[in-house]
Amino acid sequence: NAGVMQNPRHLVRRRGQEARLRCSPMKGHSHVYWYRQLPEEGLKFMVYLQKENIIDESGMPKERFSAEFPKEGPSILRIQQVVRGDSAAYFCASSPKTEAFFGQGTRLTVV
Amino acid sequence: QKEVEQDPGPLSVPEGAIVSLNCTYSNSAFQYFMWYRQYSRKGPELLMYTYSSGNKEDGRFTAQVDKSSKYISLFIRDSQPSDSATYLCAMSASGANSKLTFGKGITLSVRP
Repeated sequence: NAGVMQNPRHLVRRRGQEARLRCSPMKGHSHVYWYRQLPEEGLKFMVYLQKENIIDESGMPKERFSAEFPKEGPSILRIQQVVRGDSAAYFCASSPKTEAFFGQGTRLTVV
Repeated sequence: QKEVEQDPGPLSVPEGAIVSLNCTYSNSAFQYFMWYRQYSRKGPELLMYTYSSGNKEDGRFTAQVDKSSKYISLFIRDSQPSDSATYLCAMSASGANSKLTFGKGITLSVRP
């Protein structure tokens, strides 16, 4: 059973471009979470999704950020018009009902 | 006051030492408590998961939760160089599979 798969592992974007981060949960897991880790900071919750539904987006910035978890395919975290402050490690986690399992993360660098 | 405070680091100990890592929290709704280990440039790995107050032991690791003091601890016995990593405490009100609130993490180095 493969773990939570995130791609790409590293992403470089110029200011103003769009970033798309993908997350495939573990087989059988229907809950997906996105967290952001800024340098010298702990992980900060962004959004919680189930298939085709956003359950909790209380941690998402109001502008430029969106997330989806379609019926088929991976969950996508989309950042439009990236700025340097978006540079961070973005982690996805999936869960069946209890423990949450994290992927290896996508490290976004905005230049 | 932050919801979760974790002892600042870094922490360096000799191999074989007992390590104590601690977090305090302010939100009395937290019921689920977790410790994650994160190696450099990797994702967090769940080490221990505890519901409500009490102790839980798994090999060299023991997690303690004191809800009356809003204080949780992770003890590592007979520490090994392979334990060198960043340790993150995390908490949730609704279950380990819901929104987690993390401490900032503490970096542990175990010297051979």
